[in-house]
Amino acid sequence: SYELTQPPSVSVSPGQTASITCSGDKLGDKYVSWYHQKAGQSPVLAIYQDTKRPSGIPERFSGSNSGDTATLTISGTQAMDEADYYCQAWDSSTAVFGGGTKLTVL
Amino acid sequence: QVTLKESGPALVKPTQTLTLTCTFSGLSLSTSEVRVSWIRQPPSKALEWLARIDWDDDKFYSTSLETRLTISKDTSKNQVVLTMTNMDPVDTATYYCVRMEGVGAFGYFALWGRGTLVTVSS
Repeated sequence: SYELTQPPSVSVSPGQTASITCSGDKLGDKYVSWYHQKAGQSPVLAIYQDTKRPSGIPERFSGSNSGDTATLTISGTQAMDEADYYCQAWDSSTAVFGGGTKLTVL
Repeated sequence: QVTLKESGPALVKPTQTLTLTCTFSGLSLSTSEVRVSWIRQPPSKALEWLARIDWDDDKFYSTSLETRLTISKDTSKNQVVLTMTNMDPVDTATYYCVRMEGVGAFGYFALWGRGTLVTVSS
């Protein structure tokens, strides 16, 4: 079965750039979505189709996907961005999620 | 405004069958291109996709759980129902109903319900 691998944790200082990776075999051939989940809340769509931002998601969130790795980048990270982040792709008609990355804003 | 609300038992016993209902408002399940998935999340663990049903009644299941899952919809009630048989303590999780947008590989989980926590224990 297809697997997506994320680092368990990433730390960033306020105002700096945070990068969260998601790795999978030939992931660049698939579309990747990203979701953030704050403690005690439901996940929220942050990026879809590799690079697109839904309305309401700040411009500091961006995505890329090439080769075996997709990356979620948060520029000028704010304390409110502290959350768990999950990548997701489709393998045939099955949705696959990464294991999640806890972003800590120190 | 489209909203989704999950409902079902908070506690089930091992070997029992779980039935969860997702009730939509602001959107008809008979509308073309409407797709709905169920996704679960064990406490402090990652998200896991379970099943999906489309407006035209196409159904898709997680390969690891498909023998235990059934997804259906009642268009007249604007509800999507998920049943999971032979429940086990490892199935303890928050279960989310999610509206999808996009088609096939372009699809993404656009709108999530609040989730309902199901605990499996004797």
